[in-house]
Amino acid sequence: TQLLEQSPQFLSIQEGENLTVYCNSSSVFSSLQWYRQEPGEGPVLLVTVVTGGEVKKLKRLTFQFGDARKDSSLHITAAQPGDTGLYLCAGVKSNYQLIWGAGTKLIIKP
Amino acid sequence: NAGVTQTPKFRVLKTGQSMTLLCAQDMNHEYMYWYRQDPGMGLRLIHYSVGEGTTAKGEVPDGYNVSRLKKQNFLLGLESAAPSQTSVYFCASKDLGETGELFFGEGSRLTVL
Repeated sequence: TQLLEQSPQFLSIQEGENLTVYCNSSSVFSSLQWYRQEPGEGPVLLVTVVTGGEVKKLKRLTFQFGDARKDSSLHITAAQPGDTGLYLCAGVKSNYQLIWGAGTKLIIKP
Repeated sequence: NAGVTQTPKFRVLKTGQSMTLLCAQDMNHEYMYWYRQDPGMGLRLIHYSVGEGTTAKGEVPDGYNVSRLKKQNFLLGLESAAPSQTSVYFCASKDLGETGELFFGEGSRLTVL
C-alpha cells in the first residue's frame, strides 16, 4: 500500500501567524498537487510541483517539492481567516493514479 | 461553466435500498473517479475509469458498482445500502497528462439509516 502521510491533521492558529503543512512518503512521485477544500464543496487545485527541489509561490503560500520527489511542504505566511479550509496533498504516480494524504484541517482565528 | 455536476446532492436511504449517483462532466475528460470522504480519512478511491466503456476498482470498491457507457457520464451504484456507506461522495474528472488537474463536483451527501 502506498501511503502519503500528511501532518498535522488539525491546526488552529491566530491570524498573522505562520504555519507549515507536510506530506511525506516512501514512494517517488512524478509530481505532487495541493488542493484546498471548503465546507460543502469539492477540492480545488492550488498548485502542481513537478521537479525535485521546486519551489512555487502563490501569494502568501509557498509550496516545495522535496529533492527526491517523495515529500512536499506548504508554508503559509501571515495566515488570514480566508485561508481556513481543508488542505489535501496528492502524489501523482501516473496519468490517472493519485495517492491522497488524509488532509490538514486549518482554522485561522481572527 | 458547469464542469462536474453530481446528482443528487443529498439522499437518505434505508438499509438494503439501492440507489445511483450520477456524475456528468462537460470538459471531454478521459479519466473519471468516484471518491468517498469520511471525517479524518481524506479521500478514498472507490472506482475509476480511464475511458468510455472502461472501469476499474479503487481502494474501497466493495458494495459499489459503476458504469461509464458515455464519456461524459460516470454512474455509481449502491445495490444494497449499508450504514457503513454513509459518507460524502465526490466525483472528479481529469484530462490526459500526469500534471493534469482533477476537477471535482460539489459532492453528494448520503445517509443510510
